[in-house]
Amino acid sequence: EDQVTQSPEALRLQEGESSSLNCSYTVSGLRGLFWYRQDPGKGPEFLFTLYSAGEEKEKERLKATLTKKESFLHITAPKPEDSATYLCAVRHKETSGSRLTFGEGTQLTVNP
Amino acid sequence: DAGVTQSPTHLIKTRGQQVTLRCSPISGHKSVSWYQQVLGQGPQFIFQYYEKEERGRGNFPDRFSARQFPNYSSELNVNALLLGDSALYLCASSLFGQGNTEAFFGQGTRLTVV
Repeated sequence: EDQVTQSPEALRLQEGESSSLNCSYTVSGLRGLFWYRQDPGKGPEFLFTLYSAGEEKEKERLKATLTKKESFLHITAPKPEDSATYLCAVRHKETSGSRLTFGEGTQLTVNP
Repeated sequence: DAGVTQSPTHLIKTRGQQVTLRCSPISGHKSVSWYQQVLGQGPQFIFQYYEKEERGRGNFPDRFSARQFPNYSSELNVNALLLGDSALYLCASSLFGQGNTEAFFGQGTRLTVV
């Protein structure tokens, strides 16, 4: 059974204080690791998909990396508007499309 | 371009009632999945549909059912509602059968069972 564990559960940063969120996964064949941002009461907003170990992707202050066992979401010089819950999800190699297994998320708060 | 659209946005139902939630995928996407997200937790997979056929089912009771229409829109039905069914219900759409494809979510339907 696919499993995704995110840490920490909650993270509080000062504006400009860089940090990383962790996503550890167990899946017998990965067909994509996904990062989403979710604001309260809203649907998840797509950020990145990573497909193979060593792959990296960047978007503004966010950078996602992937190894064979975990993924990191690095946040550089965060701003208050980066406050949200960040969700990690995996897609098993024998599935396709939008069937994903999610972690519980990391709630990020960035104080001004 | 329109993203994934869900309706209604909010819904209040009484225990024992039935509810139908609706989802329209991104144009060109033929796969739709449904998720339940309880407050403070990650989304849990309920169903996946492709070309009007069920392609996967999560660990949910038979009170939950879904279908997909020829235009690839989808409905999620929940019968005999329980208080524990209160959650944000999310719909995701994507391409299907192609290895590297993203999955995009709608804004969700907030269901409250009283």
